[in-house]
Amino acid sequence: QKEVEQDPGPLSVPEGAIVSLNCTYSNSAFQYFMWYRQYSRKGPELLMYTYSSGNKEDGRFTAQVDKSSKYISLFIRDSQPSDSATYLCAMRHPYAGGTSYGKLTFGQGTILTVHP
Amino acid sequence: EAGVTQFPSHSVIEKGQTVTLRCDPISGHDNLYWYRRVMGKEIKFLLHFVKESKQDESGMPNNRFLAERTGGTYSTLKVQPAELEDSGVYFCASSPRSMTSRNTIYFGEGSWLTVV
Repeated sequence: QKEVEQDPGPLSVPEGAIVSLNCTYSNSAFQYFMWYRQYSRKGPELLMYTYSSGNKEDGRFTAQVDKSSKYISLFIRDSQPSDSATYLCAMRHPYAGGTSYGKLTFGQGTILTVHP
Repeated sequence: EAGVTQFPSHSVIEKGQTVTLRCDPISGHDNLYWYRRVMGKEIKFLLHFVKESKQDESGMPNNRFLAERTGGTYSTLKVQPAELEDSGVYFCASSPRSMTSRNTIYFGEGSWLTVV
């Protein structure tokens, strides 16, 4: 079983729609959660990161973490064609001894297309 | 400010040959990471440097892979001899040293490696 599960999609929505992207995880040691956006042939770009359970908002993006259910979400409001990309969830343990704080565990990524 | 730079962007080599990938992190970033994504799989951690020291190399697949970061600046990842299953995208990433910025991990565009 993978530590992080993410539906690869593809997901296709009309412009202006609300998009919901989700990941589940099995390792309760994960404490930091990130969402990355990756355009074709580019590197992942950090969108948001969260630590605690609850919601964090940044413009049209809202990240939600539910540690009790081991479930994280990213919501995109008023989606635009420029949001078309692969969205990756990533997470990591707290730094402890030899465990790298840069050792992210990624989901497989969800391919999103927003059509005009 | 220049981002994380990787070279070469694409490489096609024959099985058994050697390839060296180079990464220049963002100036001043002590932390440097290597990740890779093979076909159909999620992005996976390879290793983490803090300056010139290896903090965590638990993700390195085998001893055909050698990573170095001389002088704590740029890093190289050598694959010798390359095998077919090494094909994929190799991402380099960097982050600042400070505790508050550790979650801000910046990725390069990747080096696409094809072994034939």
